[in-house]
Amino acid sequence: LAKTTQPISMDSYEGQEVNITCSHNNIATNDYITWYQQFPSQGPRFIIQGYKTKVTNEVASLFIPADRKSSTLSLPRVSLSDTAVYYCLVGDVEAGGTSYGKLTFGQGTILTVHP
Amino acid sequence: GAGVSQSPSNKVTEKGKDVELRCDPISGHTALYWYRQSLGQGLEFLIYFQGNSAPDKSGLPSDRFSAERTGGSVSTLTIQRTQQEDSAVYLCASSPRTGKGSNQPQHFGDGTRLSIL
Repeated sequence: LAKTTQPISMDSYEGQEVNITCSHNNIATNDYITWYQQFPSQGPRFIIQGYKTKVTNEVASLFIPADRKSSTLSLPRVSLSDTAVYYCLVGDVEAGGTSYGKLTFGQGTILTVHP
Repeated sequence: GAGVSQSPSNKVTEKGKDVELRCDPISGHTALYWYRQSLGQGLEFLIYFQGNSAPDKSGLPSDRFSAERTGGSVSTLTIQRTQQEDSAVYLCASSPRTGKGSNQPQHFGDGTRLSIL
């Protein structure tokens, strides 16, 4: 599975846009890029997933350049409740895929939103 | 709707005892995963089920760890003769298997926090 590198921590303020970049230089052709959010004492929660270009949902946007060696999670107008750990994952996440969909989580990025 | 349910939410036991952790996946999800998360660490894969079979057990740390799944639904992770290094949060996730290309995300429970004294 492709290794990912993301900042250990980030700080922001309420109402700001937050961009968290993840590097995955050895991403494979079949790999998708997936982001999860985790609050203390809870399991990870799926945020967004993409393969290339841009994906947007009601929570976030995911920007993926043409070479797919990095990706950026964009959270618009964060609030205090967005304080959490954000994980970037790269892999063949489909359960029928070659890696059985098992996820490899790194350290994640601790996002702290201040009032 | 009902998500992935894990029980107990917390378990404290003495070193050397056996423990059983339970996972109820989302109804209809055929793929089920167990992960372990130690304090301040990322998630560590343990085992994957497709239906009742486990094609990938590569993450189980030792033969003290075992898991089973019955009826394509509930799964139990058993740790025998627990050691202090087994203390962690054990997370279960499930996803539907819909064929290649759909890339359905995994849905996680809130885990069982296991503390070995």
